[in-house]
Amino acid sequence: DTAVSQTPKYLVTQMGNDKSIKCEQNLGHDTMYWYKQDSKKFLKIMFSYNNKELIINETVPNRFSPKSPDKAHLNLHINSLELGDSAVYFCASSHRGAREGHYEQYFGPGTRLTVT
Amino acid sequence: RKEVEQDPGPFNVPEGATVAFNCTYSNSASQSFFWYRQDCRKEPKLLMSVYSSGNEDGRFTAQLNRASQYISLLIRDSKLSDSATYLCVVIPPSGGSYIPTFGRGTSLIVHP
Repeated sequence: DTAVSQTPKYLVTQMGNDKSIKCEQNLGHDTMYWYKQDSKKFLKIMFSYNNKELIINETVPNRFSPKSPDKAHLNLHINSLELGDSAVYFCASSHRGAREGHYEQYFGPGTRLTVT
Repeated sequence: RKEVEQDPGPFNVPEGATVAFNCTYSNSASQSFFWYRQDCRKEPKLLMSVYSSGNEDGRFTAQLNRASQYISLLIRDSKLSDSATYLCVVIPPSGGSYIPTFGRGTSLIVHP
């Protein structure tokens, strides 16, 4: 029944490592997103994919690379992790994409990343 | 001026009170507006969309004022379970796309 799921829920790793977070949605949406919520709870969009095409890339370091194998999945790979990458990463999905400007988003439960 | 601004609060109100939050936005071309609710250590959940004509869902009423560039959320008869952070979301255009922009949230604490 889970609409938007993410794995893992918690991720603790050391600086310099490479890690991936996976996201899947079963809502039939064609648009997926990655958000970062920092320690001050500010939620900021990182990427958006519409039908596997990258639509939004919000000045995120190129150590972060999203990959969308199909429109139900959007994964996030992070290279050379830094302390400042510690945050909660949320995946979300919606019916309509960034070109249309109207969307209600549904969020996954989040992945709490801690870099030591 | 920040793109989307909210009073962080906290708003501390007794059960049964009526409380209202505002959220101002800077881009007058913004297309869509939403309120989300986020509980501690949980994901944001859609509360309601905000339509030009205003809309109501039970105890919750959302309004949009395009002239003054703000949206509001009114909660009547507050319940303990309404305690959460309320995030406004504005969708401004940017280079051919629309970028969902979240406010920092307003914290609501409803006490007995």
